[in-house]
Amino acid sequence: DGGITQSPKYLFRKEGQNVTLSCEQNLNHDAMYWYRQDPGQGLRLIYYSQIVNDFQKGDIAEGYSVSREKKESFPLTVTSAQKNPTAFYLCASPPLTGPVDYGYTFGSGTRLTVV
Amino acid sequence: AQSVAQPEDQVNVAEGNPLTVKCTYSVSGNPYLFWYVQYPNRGLQFLLKYITGDNLVKGSYGFEAEFNKSQTSFHLKKPSALVSDSALYFCAVRALNSGNTPLVFGKGTRLSVIA
Repeated sequence: DGGITQSPKYLFRKEGQNVTLSCEQNLNHDAMYWYRQDPGQGLRLIYYSQIVNDFQKGDIAEGYSVSREKKESFPLTVTSAQKNPTAFYLCASPPLTGPVDYGYTFGSGTRLTVV
Repeated sequence: AQSVAQPEDQVNVAEGNPLTVKCTYSVSGNPYLFWYVQYPNRGLQFLLKYITGDNLVKGSYGFEAEFNKSQTSFHLKKPSALVSDSALYFCAVRALNSGNTPLVFGKGTRLSVIA
């Protein structure tokens, strides 16, 4: 089945550490997005990539970095510059352009906690 | 700029009663509107979308939504609520002719259906 795989499901980070969240898709979609979810704040866009080797900052990009070297992969690095990284992180991908029946496909998320 | 407002953080309803989860939006031009549902520690699942056509849109699990252009609203409804409908619901929007720009999500409404 086609879908998005996020790993790990749970991640713990020490103060000052960089950590990388994985997002892999086998949907053959061009675009991939990273959202951050906090209680009461909904989903906020961190970074997005519409095509391989290209990406743009979203609304809350500070303290995060991404790469898009392969179509299937869009890893997110949470750097030590992100002062409040504890959150639930969701990777998503819209379908190919054309008739859109099912909206975005979302991964199951990674819960990051600072210890 | 695009935005979505979900005015209720929490909606409580008795099982078997009708439910409504409210959403209003702001977008330049015609909107492309979605409803998603999220169960604990999971990604978002697509419920339904509106592009053009009938103002009443039917979706998954018996949900429907009514598009009202004059009130810029897209309320989610279900005639008879089930306990299993208890979850977090998100409304999302983007401008219809904005290419593949990322969706903007509301803050979410937690629905609690009481047996």
